[in-house]
Amino acid sequence: GENVEQHPSTLSVQEGDSAVIKCTYSDSASNYFPWYKQELGKGPQLIIDIRSNVGEKKDQRIAVTLNKTAKHFSLHITETQPEDSAVYFCAASNPRNYQLIWGAGTKLIIKP
Amino acid sequence: DAGVIQSPRHEVTEMGQEVTLRCKPISGHDYLFWYRQTMMRGLELLIYFNNNVPIDDSGMPEDRFSAKMPNASFSTLKIQPSEPRDSAVYFCASSPPGVAGELFFGEGSRLTVL
Repeated sequence: GENVEQHPSTLSVQEGDSAVIKCTYSDSASNYFPWYKQELGKGPQLIIDIRSNVGEKKDQRIAVTLNKTAKHFSLHITETQPEDSAVYFCAASNPRNYQLIWGAGTKLIIKP
Repeated sequence: DAGVIQSPRHEVTEMGQEVTLRCKPISGHDYLFWYRQTMMRGLELLIYFNNNVPIDDSGMPEDRFSAKMPNASFSTLKIQPSEPRDSAVYFCASSPPGVAGELFFGEGSRLTVL
């Protein structure tokens, strides 16, 4: 069935350094790839997304890249700050339905 | 906008009791989703609605679970009878028209079944 794999499961970086989280998907029909951030005790929040007709998208310190040939996409966070500490989820969606296939999540820890 | 509103935020109940979780989606959104989150299974889609009509309930674990959306501003997820393995955080999310995957989540309802 459709699957999204996410790595690493935990990522610890020094404040100010960059963090990269990677996801691969199995359904070649997928055309929408959102990233969600979940802080403790809260619901996931959309932070950035990319559609299959572009290869990269940036929003201040965060960026997402997509390689459709290899079926993988990545989240890049530069100049990490303590408030970036959270669990990050990637997901993939296809035009056949409204269901998102979710990655297992990455716990990002920013060390002061 | 107040965002997606869920109630209760916390519920502790005993096995066998009925549990009702409530959700008010963002005004103007025509998709509504119910998710369950546990450490073991991550985020699981239980059911989703489009224009108040259930579209896919294949994620509902068993007949003890039911969901309704009587109008565009209200949905319920009911568990009857509840079991300890139902303990989880239940999220409601809504999505605006024409934007697949752009979900706005509520803060969740943490359910503990003793």
